[in-house]
Amino acid sequence: GAVVSQHPSRVICKSGTSVKIECRSLDFQATTMFWYRQFPKQSLMLMATSNEGSKATYEQGVEKDKFLINHASLTLSTLTVTSAHPEDSSFYICSASSSQPHSEQYFGPGTRLTVT
Amino acid sequence: AQSVAQPEDQVNVAEGNPLTVKCTYSVSGNPYLFWYVQYPNRGLQFLLKYITGDNLVKGSYGFEAEFNKSQTSFHLKKPSALVSDSALYFCAVRDVEGYQKVTFGTGTKLQVIP
Repeated sequence: GAVVSQHPSRVICKSGTSVKIECRSLDFQATTMFWYRQFPKQSLMLMATSNEGSKATYEQGVEKDKFLINHASLTLSTLTVTSAHPEDSSFYICSASSSQPHSEQYFGPGTRLTVT
Repeated sequence: AQSVAQPEDQVNVAEGNPLTVKCTYSVSGNPYLFWYVQYPNRGLQFLLKYITGDNLVKGSYGFEAEFNKSQTSFHLKKPSALVSDSALYFCAVRDVEGYQKVTFGTGTKLQVIP
């Protein structure tokens, strides 16, 4: 149980375009979803936390107008990178947790974004 | 503020030998502690967690971790390393009283040498 999927696994887009990444909890209801960014050989940087039905909480330094997060249902959250630039190229990972006390985060497999 | 330190960027161990990956933490209240493993170009896989109770926590793939409150440590251990254990390991902490934000360490690359 506790499977989280991400789609696409890999995407290449041109500068100036937008790209949407989906994160789905397949077998549980995710009241909270998290979006991380990971640079090569570095730890995960939390970008934002989203709770179903409410606005996402962004970490300091993360542009909310550039990284649009929607958590419209208990099984789906999306991250849209708008007007992508090459410096946005990275590995984006989502995670989800349920409302159960002490719930750990379950991670998606990640999305490799390359902006050309 | 909460933080996690993984003092070793890389740990090398011979196959069959015991392994330890170190982690120390800092939180204002009681901690929830986690270990995750990441294989190349993959997301993180949950290994184990400490919430309360027995200080020795057993997890997936034969891994275990020992919570030491006085030393604020949560080292990951395995009695006999496998080559397939080679991966990146992350320690993470969350304050019991706080909201669900989890802070991750910088990761330790484990290399098991055949």
